[in-house]
Amino acid sequence: NAGVTQTPKFQVLKTGQSMTLQCAQDMNHEYMSWYRQDPGMGLRLIHYSVGAGITDQGEVPNGYNVSRSTTEDFPLRLLSAAPSQTSVYFCASSPLQTGGGYTFGSGTRLTVV
Amino acid sequence: SQQGEEDPQALSIQEGENATMNCSYKTSINNLQWYRQNSGRGLVHLILIRSNEREKHSGRLRVTLDTSKKSSSLLITASRAADTASYFCASLSNTGNQFYFGTGTSLTVIP
Repeated sequence: NAGVTQTPKFQVLKTGQSMTLQCAQDMNHEYMSWYRQDPGMGLRLIHYSVGAGITDQGEVPNGYNVSRSTTEDFPLRLLSAAPSQTSVYFCASSPLQTGGGYTFGSGTRLTVV
Repeated sequence: SQQGEEDPQALSIQEGENATMNCSYKTSINNLQWYRQNSGRGLVHLILIRSNEREKHSGRLRVTLDTSKKSSSLLITASRAADTASYFCASLSNTGNQFYFGTGTSLTVIP
């Protein structure tokens, strides 16, 4: 049981490049979400999904796209990377509305130069 | 911002002492959860308290919830050096499926 797997662990992008951060979970969780963590800002919700085919915006969605074609996968796409998107990105999943806690991935540290 | 706030931002105590950290949130909630994050790692779920509960215990952890004040506290008793980490509260809103995290408390337990 791998839990939540994020790839890559580290990435350096040039301004304007695009990339996809991968997130996969093997717990059959309906709920998946992406957060970014910046110093002094805690975790801010980017996008979330309550099931395959359903996504919604969080607090800071601009510059990011998501899709949820399967229960297991929830990729985060950076359309045109900007230095302001330098951050640590976490994917998390949980059962929907059962009151269970999140399971977090180990994070992707992204630097945009 | 929908984020809550945690207080204090940083806390340093001696091993064996109790550590208390507080969390305030902004919206009506379904439940509130506490997480721990060791440096450079993902967050780990510690404990969940529902909106109709006032206090909950798990091992050395005690969580209280005051919905009238939109606040919660986490008490770690008999702290250990291994408790050194950042602690975050996260609230699940009543109106949707969004979890909002607080800004975190950095706890250092000195051996």
